Amino acid sequence: GQNIDQPTEMTATEGAIVQINCTYQTSGFNGLFWYQQHAGEAPTFLSYNVLDGLEEKGRFSSFLSRSKGYSYLLLKELQMKDSASYLCAVRDSNYQLIWGAGTKLIIKP
Amino acid sequence: DTGVSQNPRHKITKRGQNVTFRCDPISEHNRLYWYRQTLGQGPEFLTYFQNEAQLEKSRLLSDRFSAERPKGSFSTLEIQRTEQGDSAMYLCASSLDGTGGPPGELFFGEGSRLTVL
Repeated sequence: GQNIDQPTEMTATEGAIVQINCTYQTSGFNGLFWYQQHAGEAPTFLSYNVLDGLEEKGRFSSFLSRSKGYSYLLLKELQMKDSASYLCAVRDSNYQLIWGAGTKLIIKP
Repeated sequence: DTGVSQNPRHKITKRGQNVTFRCDPISEHNRLYWYRQTLGQGPEFLTYFQNEAQLEKSRLLSDRFSAERPKGSFSTLEIQRTEQGDSAMYLCASSLDGTGGPPGELFFGEGSRLTVL
């Protein structure tokens, strides 16, 4: 079967750095996405990785290792507004997105 | 264009009733997706359209669920004879094939929250 694993919940301090991990086992691989979802709102796109390595976009970076079936999302200089769920999704060989359950990130002052 | 819009935003219904949700995607987006999401879970794929053609439907989707996209623009999702287990957020998303951005990037609507009593 296809599986995406992420921690259920993480807590971090305002101004700090946090890394959210995602491991996957899917039928084929055609890219990995990270989405942010605030409570009661729709998911919004953060990043996309299809090749190994690090993609940096402002305070957010995403890393991919296809051989390890592993990705992480790195958030720097955390702000209170970063409190949200972070969803990892992998596009499989049929170009369908397989979603993780999301990691709820709690930011404390 | 203001993005993907869905209505109603909230629907409370009694078990056994039928409900219909509407999604207006970003104009010119040729792909439209329906997902279901419950608290603490990621979106669960229901079905998707390429223009007006329904290309895939989840095997988990019962026959009580039907979706249409008659003119390749807006879409409707109908749930017949609702059950309490249907209570969830129903999310619509659209994307454009061949865009210069990340392929398959989905733009989500705000969702339609269904509560079945």
